[in-house]
Amino acid sequence: AQSVTQLDSQVPVFEEAPVELRCNYSSSVSVYLFWYVQYPNQGLQLLLKYLSGSTLVKGINGFEAEFNKSQTSFHLRKPSVHISDTAEYFCAVRALGGYQKVTFGTGTKLQVIP
Amino acid sequence: SQTIHQWPATLVQPVGSPLSLECTVEGTSNPNLYWYRQAAGRGLQLLFYSVGIGQISSEVPQNLSASRPQDRQFILSSKKLLLSDSGFYLCAWSVKGSYGYTFGSGTRLTVV
Repeated sequence: AQSVTQLDSQVPVFEEAPVELRCNYSSSVSVYLFWYVQYPNQGLQLLLKYLSGSTLVKGINGFEAEFNKSQTSFHLRKPSVHISDTAEYFCAVRALGGYQKVTFGTGTKLQVIP
Repeated sequence: SQTIHQWPATLVQPVGSPLSLECTVEGTSNPNLYWYRQAAGRGLQLLFYSVGIGQISSEVPQNLSASRPQDRQFILSSKKLLLSDSGFYLCAWSVKGSYGYTFGSGTRLTVV
């Protein structure tokens, strides 16, 4: 089974400052990794995904994430945040092969301060 | 293009009343379908998934049930709601063999 840990439940950051949202996972097999964003009272939208290849993955809205297998991490970063980035961010993991069950972390609320 | 519809957007129901939430997908066939519940501070909990008509798998024993009467229709039900059933319910679908989910806009359920 897989698990995902998002240690930071809330991250406040000033507008135009950089941000990193942390994600660590646990799995006995190789995995795919995802970041989703959820705006208030909406469903989740896929930001980016790591399937294979380059460990630096670029997504929508200027976000990127780096897969680190040795540290079992998949941290999300953005060099300069905007007010519109205020949302909740979920890291997720899925094992390769077999049924596509995706396990989500508990989420990190990013609050961008003007 | 594929779209997912989920309704209603909000719902307030008394304890002990029945529940029916519906989710439909358009523009694809034979999708995998999922029901998630999101409670404050708990992330997303997978409730049910379905890989085909009439095929339902339950992830967590609870007061809820799911059905898939048609290929692109997924229904979440309860005979008697509990206060603990309150939360944000999300339907999602995926193409078999693909890597990500597409989520509906969710239903905010408040049991009073």
